[in-house]
Amino acid sequence: AQSVTQLGSHVSVSEGALVLLRCNYSSSVPPYLFWYVQYPNQGLQLLLKYTSAATLVKGINGFEAEFKKSETSFHLTKPSAHMSDAAEYFCAVSVEGNNRLAFGKGNQVVVIP
Amino acid sequence: SAVISQKPSRDICQRGTSLTIQCQVDSQVTMMFWYRQQPGQSLTLIATANQGSEATYESGFVIDKFPISRPNLTFSTLTVSNMSPEDSSIYLCSAAGVTYEQYFGPGTRLTVT
Repeated sequence: AQSVTQLGSHVSVSEGALVLLRCNYSSSVPPYLFWYVQYPNQGLQLLLKYTSAATLVKGINGFEAEFKKSETSFHLTKPSAHMSDAAEYFCAVSVEGNNRLAFGKGNQVVVIP
Repeated sequence: SAVISQKPSRDICQRGTSLTIQCQVDSQVTMMFWYRQQPGQSLTLIATANQGSEATYESGFVIDKFPISRPNLTFSTLTVSNMSPEDSSIYLCSAAGVTYEQYFGPGTRLTVT
């Protein structure tokens, strides 16, 4: 069954430093992969997606992710953290190539001034 | 993209009662889903809401507890029946088109006392 693994539930990063959130997936079919962000008391907002086109995907708010099939990874990065990046981030994989999504446990990002 | 609204945004209910959550999408979509997010946890898919037919439930979720309706392509309801404190969660509706990404509503925050 398709699944994603996100390690390190809480991630602290200094303002201006690199943000790196790791996501590894398990899928028996070519996966569709997504990163979502959830701000406090809000729903989820799509940051970016991989759907078998370019392996380096650029999203909103300066985030990008690279699909690496050999490593079964889809890590999320942002070169310079901003205070407004403090939120929870979820990696998700489509289940069996359809629209159903399986989510990772999430990373709570704290930005330190 | 699609804009999704949910009603109510939050509610406090007594155990043994039922609550119906409404989800409205601003455009016709192929698929709609219902998720549960327990406190401090990730999202778990409850079911796929099928237009004009019975919903498709994930393992661990049953129709008697979570009846779902989808009378048309832009509207769905989820009922949480015979509630207990363990049902206290955020319930999120999402919608997907042909490009696989899902768009989420703001969620309904349910507290059962």
